[in-house]
Amino acid sequence: GENVEQHPSTLSVQEGDSAVIKCTYSDSASNYFPWYKQELGKRPQLIIDIRSNVGEKKDQRIAVTLNKTAKHFSLHITETQPEDSAVYFCAAFLDMRFGAGTRLTVKP
Amino acid sequence: DSGVTQTPKHLITATGQRVTLRCSPRSGDLSVYWYQQSLDQGLQFLIQYYNGEERAKGNILERFSAQQFPDLHSELNLSSLELGDSALYFCASSPSGQSNTEAFFGQGTRLTVV
Repeated sequence: GENVEQHPSTLSVQEGDSAVIKCTYSDSASNYFPWYKQELGKRPQLIIDIRSNVGEKKDQRIAVTLNKTAKHFSLHITETQPEDSAVYFCAAFLDMRFGAGTRLTVKP
Repeated sequence: DSGVTQTPKHLITATGQRVTLRCSPRSGDLSVYWYQQSLDQGLQFLIQYYNGEERAKGNILERFSAQQFPDLHSELNLSSLELGDSALYFCASSPSGQSNTEAFFGQGTRLTVV
């Protein structure tokens, strides 16, 4: 199955700074790359996704970039706010396997 | 509300027992996925069903089994429970069997084995 590596495992930033989370995958057949946000005790929810025919996608303060040649994709959050604090999961959705998650803490 | 319903929300049981977790997918979704999330851990993929058939298998123990019924709801059966099986169990659903669309998660079932 697909192997997805996610880094860093924890990330702490000051409010207003940017945060970047990176994922690498192994199977070149993967063509769909979603990012999910999970707040404490709640269900994971999709925040942004990208398909293999696109290199970058942006939605307000959130963006995702994809490099298919290098098999990595990244989540970028700008102007972070305390409510961005959560665990973020990436996936290369060939077989619904997620990365290990990144715990983001935004300090006010 | 994602449209995916999981019951029960909480379950407390003793070691050695057997439990059944239930998942109703969003209307029209044919795929159901099961995940296990232990405390402060990631989402461990257990198994996927598509239109009643097993589609993919992950790190599912032999003591665990699942099925998807003709009405597309799914059940995850956990037997000979151990303390380490305590976790949050999520199911998710998506429209197709191909993993190229958003998956919607239920609220989860929190299982505590004592």
